[in-house]
Amino acid sequence: QSALTQPASVSGSPGQSITISCTGTSSDVGTHNYVSWYQQHPGKGPKLIILDVRNRPSGVSNRFSGSKSGNTASLTISGLQAEDEADYFCGSYTASSSYVFGTGTKVTVL
Amino acid sequence: EVQLVESGGGLVQPGRSLRLSCTASGFTFGDHAMSWFRQAPGKGLEWVGFIRNEFYGGTAEYAASVKGRFIMSRLDSKSIAYLQMNSLKTEDTALYYCVRGGGVHKRYSGSYPNWYDRWGQGALVTVSS
Repeated sequence: QSALTQPASVSGSPGQSITISCTGTSSDVGTHNYVSWYQQHPGKGPKLIILDVRNRPSGVSNRFSGSKSGNTASLTISGLQAEDEADYFCGSYTASSSYVFGTGTKVTVL
Repeated sequence: EVQLVESGGGLVQPGRSLRLSCTASGFTFGDHAMSWFRQAPGKGLEWVGFIRNEFYGGTAEYAASVKGRFIMSRLDSKSIAYLQMNSLKTEDTALYYCVRGGGVHKRYSGSYPNWYDRWGQGALVTVSS
């Protein structure tokens, strides 16, 4: 199962909004709403920030939002802050019921 | 506070076995599926598999890369999840994370977590001669 495709890096200035795409196929992202997004700071374990395409777990800032169109899911970070600098991964089930991650996006706050 | 603490990692020779443990606290362990993920040095995340809770049969699903070599189990009375890794290969070298599953949806082979919401800090497994 191939990884989902994400841009290698995205950058923005504090206060700006950025969007990270996660492109899959009709056999994974496009077939259901079990798409999640994870944030990972260096040396730390991942943190779930979006579940079921667009829902935020308790305690996650409302600056993070998710959406999906066809085979592409997206994560938008609004009001970019220095603490948002991290790696971001999307995750999705596949038609064969395995779970696959995106290639990862490094977010840099300029 | 939800906590997941992995233990049992280390250096092991190819072909040998190793067992990881994940001790959970801060939530009702028996209500959740428990999963394992791994991340090779400098690489992305890889799903290893998960084990359902007893309500959904307590059975496990595995990634193709580990199926037949790795076995997941759980001891709900002590809130511990295990990952028994057999016939280890050099490509199994990674940081292994214990992760709590959340939500449930049905697929052909049974129930699956919708998401994976709490992660441990990981246990490093190095397979090398």
